Amino acid sequence: GAVVSQHPSWVICKSGTSVKIECRSLDFQATTMFWYRQFPKQSLMLMATSNEGSKATYEQGVEKDKFLINHASLTLSTLTVTSAHPEDSSFYICSVDPGTATDTQYFGPGTRLTVL
Amino acid sequence: GQNIDQPTEMTATEGAIVQINCTYQTSGFNGLFWYQQHAGEAPTFLSYNVLDGLEEKGRFSSFLSRSKGYSYLLLKELQMKDSASYLCAVGSSSASKIIFGSGTRLSIRP
Repeated sequence: GAVVSQHPSWVICKSGTSVKIECRSLDFQATTMFWYRQFPKQSLMLMATSNEGSKATYEQGVEKDKFLINHASLTLSTLTVTSAHPEDSSFYICSVDPGTATDTQYFGPGTRLTVL
Repeated sequence: GQNIDQPTEMTATEGAIVQINCTYQTSGFNGLFWYQQHAGEAPTFLSYNVLDGLEEKGRFSSFLSRSKGYSYLLLKELQMKDSASYLCAVGSSSASKIIFGSGTRLSIRP
């Protein structure tokens, strides 16, 4: 499977600040990456599909101006949570699809965001 | 639209066998996935079924019936480390994405 890293693994910030989370594909070039959010004891909710060199595709109900996604290279996508609030506290996970026949996605280790 | 149902919680005994069921409704079906997720960690890929039948991989097996919109994950010779959430997910060819169910939290008792 693909190797995916995320940075930071956890972050605590004050309400109103912005936080950037990086997702890196370490062993192959990913034209598409996915960003998920997971609240405690709930499943993964797809937030957006990140496309290299073009705009991200956001799921219904996800504010694109609040969750900024930049996929500037084939190995890096970033998610910036702007003006974070306590309700944004969650586990943010990215994934990549290495383009196998099964379309299996491989996940990064996740980033735990806590907004005070 | 898409809908995925699986039990919220299950309990089983170490050494035993457990079956976790998943039913789904989707358009543009492009395979069914099972992932394992330990608390505080990211999901790890377990299995993928796109054709009807049983896929066996060590202690884990996954079954799919497309006509019934039904899948199950079978875990044999349960170990304490198998305590985790198991996520059923469906691929959508029309949207090129995977939709996850709410997950089944499996607890293994000695």
